[in-house]
Amino acid sequence: AQKVTQAQTEISVVEKEDVTLDCVYETRDTTYYLFWYKQPPSGELVFLIRRNSFDEQNEISGRYSWNFQKSTSSFNFTITASQVVDSAVYFCALRMDSSYKLIFGSGTRLLVRP
Amino acid sequence: NAGVMQNPRHLVRRRGQEARLRCSPMKGHSHVYWYRQLPEEGLKFMVYLQKENIIDESGMPKERFSAEFPKEGPSILRIQQVVRGDSAAYFCASSPRGTGNSYITYEQYFGPGTRLTVT
Repeated sequence: AQKVTQAQTEISVVEKEDVTLDCVYETRDTTYYLFWYKQPPSGELVFLIRRNSFDEQNEISGRYSWNFQKSTSSFNFTITASQVVDSAVYFCALRMDSSYKLIFGSGTRLLVRP
Repeated sequence: NAGVMQNPRHLVRRRGQEARLRCSPMKGHSHVYWYRQLPEEGLKFMVYLQKENIIDESGMPKERFSAEFPKEGPSILRIQQVVRGDSAAYFCASSPRGTGNSYITYEQYFGPGTRLTVT
């Protein structure tokens, strides 16, 4: 069975702190894709990143970085020097190459306090 | 280059009424996916449609829910005789082709969602 687990329900940090959001996934497929989405208070879903299973390079985009580790089936997301505007719910998602369904975790609510 | 459009953004219905949610995919996209987000939960797949065809409705509740994507016009998610448990955010996504292709990955682009409240 395929599954995405985001064990952290809610995280609260003070502005400028670094924060890591955890994502653990389960799949037996060898080819799959992992995603992170941001859902700000306004409610829309904002695509942040897609990572292919055959590409384990970590990625950095500005203050955002992603650590993909196949050995531990994890795809963690770090925000460096967090800002109030980063406050949102963040979802990790999985899609198998053989499927079109995105399987979402339950989300982590991040609150960045000034 | 408009993104995926959904309307209404907010919909309030009384128990027993019908709810109709509309989704206009991005220009050039002929594949539509509906997801439901219950309060405090992640999104769950409901249905996948191509123009005039339902490809996979395995995530749809067996009763009261239906979806269509006609040749002309938006995709419609219809919920008949709504109950309080139907209160949720309903997201539509579109892609230019099916995203099950092992050689090319077509992203699903999400709309802003429709928030349905059943009173």
